[in-house]
Amino acid sequence: GQQVMQIPQYQHVQEGEDFTTYCNSSTTLSNIQWYKQRPGGHPVFLIQLVKSGEVKKQKRLTFQFGEAKKNSSLHITATQTTDVGTYFCAGQAAGNKLTFGGGTRVLVKP
Amino acid sequence: DGGITQSPKYLFRKEGQNVTLSCEQNLNHDAMYWYRQDPGQGLRLIYYSQIVNDFQKGDIAEGYSVSREKKESFPLTVTSAQKNPTAFYLCASSIQMYGTYEQYFGPGTRLTVT
Repeated sequence: GQQVMQIPQYQHVQEGEDFTTYCNSSTTLSNIQWYKQRPGGHPVFLIQLVKSGEVKKQKRLTFQFGEAKKNSSLHITATQTTDVGTYFCAGQAAGNKLTFGGGTRVLVKP
Repeated sequence: DGGITQSPKYLFRKEGQNVTLSCEQNLNHDAMYWYRQDPGQGLRLIYYSQIVNDFQKGDIAEGYSVSREKKESFPLTVTSAQKNPTAFYLCASSIQMYGTYEQYFGPGTRLTVT
């Protein structure tokens, strides 16, 4: 079945630094979504990518969908303490349900 | 104010007892889902429902049961057959299951079984 893998599992970042988390699918996706879960909270939808090579930005967050539509990345610039949480990607292949990756847990060192 | 409600936020049960977790949505969404999350882990799909009176097993359905008698409600029963039921349970919904629709999550229920 469809599998979605995320790396790294944990990311320790110094406040102010940049980092990237990656998402890889075993199958070609029709779309990919990103969610953020704050500590003690529930996942909240951030963004969706549909087109091959698509790049979308939300303030300091940049999301990219790979050309082959099998991978995606989230890049955060100038990390802040408000960025703490777990970031999940979720991929959907045509005719299949949304499958979540294992998440990247982000810890920020002030 | 539209959204998904789950109750209670914290639930404690003795081993061997069945327990039902509530999930209600007023978003008029057709699809609903139940996920289990263990500490530091990802989301694992327990059951999902595309439409009223229909539901399907997810990846870890053993020891769980659901019903979907109303569009707004999708309760999850954790039975005594579930070997390790202590976890954080999240309910979610989306307009439809297939297509470019995001999922909306409820606040979750933390179940502790001793």
